[in-house]
Amino acid sequence: SQQGEEDPQALSIQEGENATMNCSYKTSINNLQWYRQNSGRGLVHLILIRSNEREKHSGRLRVTLDTSKKSSSLLITASRAADTASYFCATDAWGGNKLVFGAGTILRVKS
Amino acid sequence: EAGVVQSPRYKIIEKKQPVAFWCNPISGHNTLYWYRQNLGQGPELLIRYENEEAVDDSQLPKDRFSAERLKGVDSTLKIQPAELGDSAVYLCASSLTAGLAGVNEQFFGPGTRLTVL
Repeated sequence: SQQGEEDPQALSIQEGENATMNCSYKTSINNLQWYRQNSGRGLVHLILIRSNEREKHSGRLRVTLDTSKKSSSLLITASRAADTASYFCATDAWGGNKLVFGAGTILRVKS
Repeated sequence: EAGVVQSPRYKIIEKKQPVAFWCNPISGHNTLYWYRQNLGQGPELLIRYENEEAVDDSQLPKDRFSAERLKGVDSTLKIQPAELGDSAVYLCASSLTAGLAGVNEQFFGPGTRLTVL
């Protein structure tokens, strides 16, 4: 079963625009991670945010976490064609010692 | 530093045939994971190893799937016999052992795309 649910399922934007993807989950977590997957490739870790953190930045990425709403968002600013990929959130539930991935958001950045 | 290595990258087999996938994790990573990813879905954990011990195999269909991690380094995942529904991408990942702060970032290999005809 997949705990995280990403929204939207697919997103198409123009190069230079910002892209926002959301993730909702069901149980209390240790941390939440975001990964990117280019077509035909393995997943690449983007950012990890712990349950006691509210916001984290990495380059053009900004992740927020709201544990009261059990949700997280990933913002990619000034998107590029190379950002075209699937993005997954993955939750590490308390006591689970494993990541549970959502179904992902497919992002297409048009140049 | 080399990443997670998997082979083969692609495999096409007839149903009822056996198939095996191999993974070499990042050096120093004690934790190794096998995931299955169906089209349009996120990866789903099949088995997790801490060194050579399988500590979570609750999602592994044990009637046909088996895995081993001899000497706590390389790992092999086997399916025998394969069924049509096993067509998917099989991903291997590795990480440092989880601590009090939870699961660490995982490093994924490129995956093996399995097609069962």
